[in-house]
Amino acid sequence: DAEITQSPRHKITETGRQVTLACHQTWNHNNMFWYRQDLGHGLRLIHYSYGVQDTNKGEVSDGYSVSRSNTEDLPLTLESAASSQTSVYFCASSESSGAGDTQYFGPGTRLTVL
Amino acid sequence: AQRVTQPEKLLSVFKGAPVELKCNYSYSGSPELFWYVQYSRQRLQLLLRHISRESIKGFTADLNKGETSFHLKKPFAQEEDSAMYYCALSRSSGSARQLTFGSGTQLTVLP
Repeated sequence: DAEITQSPRHKITETGRQVTLACHQTWNHNNMFWYRQDLGHGLRLIHYSYGVQDTNKGEVSDGYSVSRSNTEDLPLTLESAASSQTSVYFCASSESSGAGDTQYFGPGTRLTVL
Repeated sequence: AQRVTQPEKLLSVFKGAPVELKCNYSYSGSPELFWYVQYSRQRLQLLLRHISRESIKGFTADLNKGETSFHLKKPFAQEEDSAMYYCALSRSSGSARQLTFGSGTQLTVLP
């Protein structure tokens, strides 16, 4: 069955370190998204991609970067982790089928920056 | 700019009671709205979308353009409905669509 996976599921790191969170989907979807989930803020869009070699900044992109070298993967990199980036991160994908695309979410990665 | 507001962070009801989770939006275009749900220890998943006009797990939501609302309702809540609920607005962005989420409402159904 097609699915979307994230790794690691839990990560503890130190301030200033570079961290990469993986997202892999087998839906063959063109669109992929990264969100962070924080109490009181809901889900906020970090970066998104509409296809290979395409990346775009979302609402809260500062301190994060992504790259899209193939359809299946959209890794999220924290260049220099900060305590404010402690959060739960969700990856999602959707197909380009016009209006009202449903997004399919991964299980999430809980990141703690000490 | 688009915005989705869920005024209740927490909502508790007793089993068998009606439940309504409020969602208001602001968007200059033609809105497409969704409710997503996250059960404990599970991933976020689509509950329903307004264009389908369907009932899922007993939940319904009607888009009221006059009041710019998309409230989620269920006449008789069940304990398994306890979850975090997010209202989301879909908007065009280039060749695809993006979702703007509300801050979520944690629903607890008490026995």
